[in-house]
Amino acid sequence: QSALTQPASVSGSPGQSITISCTGTSSDVGGYNYVSWYQQHPGKAPKLMIYDVSNRPSGVSNRFSGSKSGNTASLTISGLQAEDEADYYCNSYTNSDTLGGVLFGGGTKLTVL
Amino acid sequence: QLQLQESGSGLVKPSQTLSLTCAVSDGSISNGGYSWSWIRQPPGKGLEWIGYIYHSGSTYYNPSLKSRVTISVDRSQNQFSLKLSSVTAADTAVYFCARAVVQGVPRAFDSWGQGTLVTVSS
Repeated sequence: QSALTQPASVSGSPGQSITISCTGTSSDVGGYNYVSWYQQHPGKAPKLMIYDVSNRPSGVSNRFSGSKSGNTASLTISGLQAEDEADYYCNSYTNSDTLGGVLFGGGTKLTVL
Repeated sequence: QLQLQESGSGLVKPSQTLSLTCAVSDGSISNGGYSWSWIRQPPGKGLEWIGYIYHSGSTYYNPSLKSRVTISVDRSQNQFSLKLSSVTAADTAVYFCARAVVQGVPRAFDSWGQGTLVTVSS
């Protein structure tokens, strides 16, 4: 069981918007603005899509946005496209000694219908 | 554009030590604004952070792997390495090296290697 909780799967039709949640605790997601999101296509390395909760790296589409409320962070993809079908992982720093410094969520499989 | 490339043994026998190296190009491993990490992904499963090393040499490991992990850096070769001892089948995974932007602590992994599959089997 991952320390950050994500839904196993989400789906949406082209053009729609979807949101993926990532729930942690006050020791990680809720306590720091160091939440990031990664997109991973099959057989490929993860790609950074959002960092510091809501910032997009250069080159990432503005259809991707991030937010946080309390201990839950969210990734929203608007105007869904077929190429968005992938696995998505959230990541956060944690100050928990028992968990170490870095946490990943269990991943969410996005299906574009 | 920073590039990271993993190399090492793809097949390791149970109880032996897994050894991987990550070569960094088009960027210096001595840059103080980053840490250098290993992350793995068992087949069909999610990402698991293994540990990271700062340019200073300070290391931080996943507590669940800490007793078996060593990460080191070779600044002369601009590369860093992973050693995982006493491996079992549960250590079979794709191993990624990655760079994290740091501000005291890791903020995000902005560059990744392509990953290398390591299988533990006799």
